Amino acid sequence: AQTVTQSQPEMSVQEAETVTLSCTYDTSESDYYLFWYKQPPSRQMILVIRQEAYKQQNATENRFSVNFQKAAKSFSLKISDSQLGDAAMYFCAYRRTWGGGADGLTFGKGTHLIIQP
Amino acid sequence: ETGVTQTPRHLVMGMTNKKSLKCEQHLGHNAMYWYKQSAKKPLELMFVYSLEERVENNSVPSRFSPECPNSSHLFLHLHTLQPEDSALYLCASSQEGGGRGLPANTGELFFGEGSRLTVL
Repeated sequence: AQTVTQSQPEMSVQEAETVTLSCTYDTSESDYYLFWYKQPPSRQMILVIRQEAYKQQNATENRFSVNFQKAAKSFSLKISDSQLGDAAMYFCAYRRTWGGGADGLTFGKGTHLIIQP
Repeated sequence: ETGVTQTPRHLVMGMTNKKSLKCEQHLGHNAMYWYKQSAKKPLELMFVYSLEERVENNSVPSRFSPECPNSSHLFLHLHTLQPEDSALYLCASSQEGGGRGLPANTGELFFGEGSRLTVL
């Protein structure tokens, strides 16, 4: 079974600084997706960034980028120029490519990100 | 309405009550999911309806009963719940690639805002 581990229950960063959230996962599959989702106090899970395992290039979305290390099964999220609106729970998630939706996403426990003004 | 909508947003029920959670997706997706979110635990996948096929999760107690009348609507029927069932219940949808043996589309799930359930 796949597992996702987020070892940082809480992180704090000054506004405008850079912060990195860690995630490791365990799988025997070679094809899969990795995601970072954000859940603000409004509760709705919002996709931040997505990585396909077959792509060696790290995904980027504006201020958000990942460091994907397939051999190490590591998938960290870097947030640059942190803003107050970035404060939320961040969840790392895994999904195998082949499965027809039956597996859904496997989530880590989340990291609570605090932005200090 | 756009995206994935869930009703009610908040629900308080006694252990002997029967209630239902409703989810509707307006994205034209072909798969829908129920997740349970409890404090300090990973989200737990409860049920999946994918490509008109229901995927059972044997670890979910029978007091939770899903229903998916069509690809746009998903219900979670609740009866004789326990206080430990209090949690945030999230509905999600996705567009799948066409069946087992075919790859997921983008793999992304789209979530609703959740229904906060309190069992007294």
